[in-house]
Amino acid sequence: QSVLTQPPSVSAAPGQRVTISCSGGSLNIGNNDVSWYQQFPGTAPKLLIYDNNKRPSGIPDRFSGSKSATLAILDITGLQTGDEADYYCGTWDSSLIGAVFGGGTKLTVL
Amino acid sequence: EVQLLESGGGLVEPGGSLRLSCAASGFTFSHYAMSWVRQAPGKGLDWISTISGSGRSTYYADSVKGRFTISRDTSKKTLYLQMNNLRAEDTAVYYCAKNDERELCFDYWGPGTLLTVSS
Repeated sequence: QSVLTQPPSVSAAPGQRVTISCSGGSLNIGNNDVSWYQQFPGTAPKLLIYDNNKRPSGIPDRFSGSKSATLAILDITGLQTGDEADYYCGTWDSSLIGAVFGGGTKLTVL
Repeated sequence: EVQLLESGGGLVEPGGSLRLSCAASGFTFSHYAMSWVRQAPGKGLDWISTISGSGRSTYYADSVKGRFTISRDTSKKTLYLQMNNLRAEDTAVYYCAKNDERELCFDYWGPGTLLTVSS
């Protein structure tokens, strides 16, 4: 059971918008910045969003992040079939003194 | 270009030991914290351990505390994970990851190495 809670799956049609939530507590999301990772089957995760809402170089602006209190959101607009992947949120937990991840959300682009 | 390459995975019997290595290049190794994250087959990401750039500070998940030891060799630009008293539940792909400047996220990942603990 993950410290951070994500929906197991989300789906939407190409061109549409989808949001993935990541819920935590005051000692993790509430107190630290959130990052998001994209993972395709059989490959390593890739950083998608850091510091709640910043994109590394090369990440399209179709991907955006936000955070309010103990809830973080990953927003993907203009969905493409190539966006089908697993998405994980992560942050530091000040109580556990370690990094924590959500259980992951499988995105299906119908 | 940042590159991370893990090695040392394989098949180990329960109770056995193994050391993973991660060769780093493309950045000033000593300036950044480094971490190990694992992923059991069909499961999510599971943070294992982080070591500061200097090597003086280390952090471990409760699930591996006392069994695993993270270390680094700046001269060799290599990160290590010594794993002792291995259990079946340690079976996973182990990823080496570079922490960002604030150490709050993992900005680069290696391709991973598979550890299987089984008799």
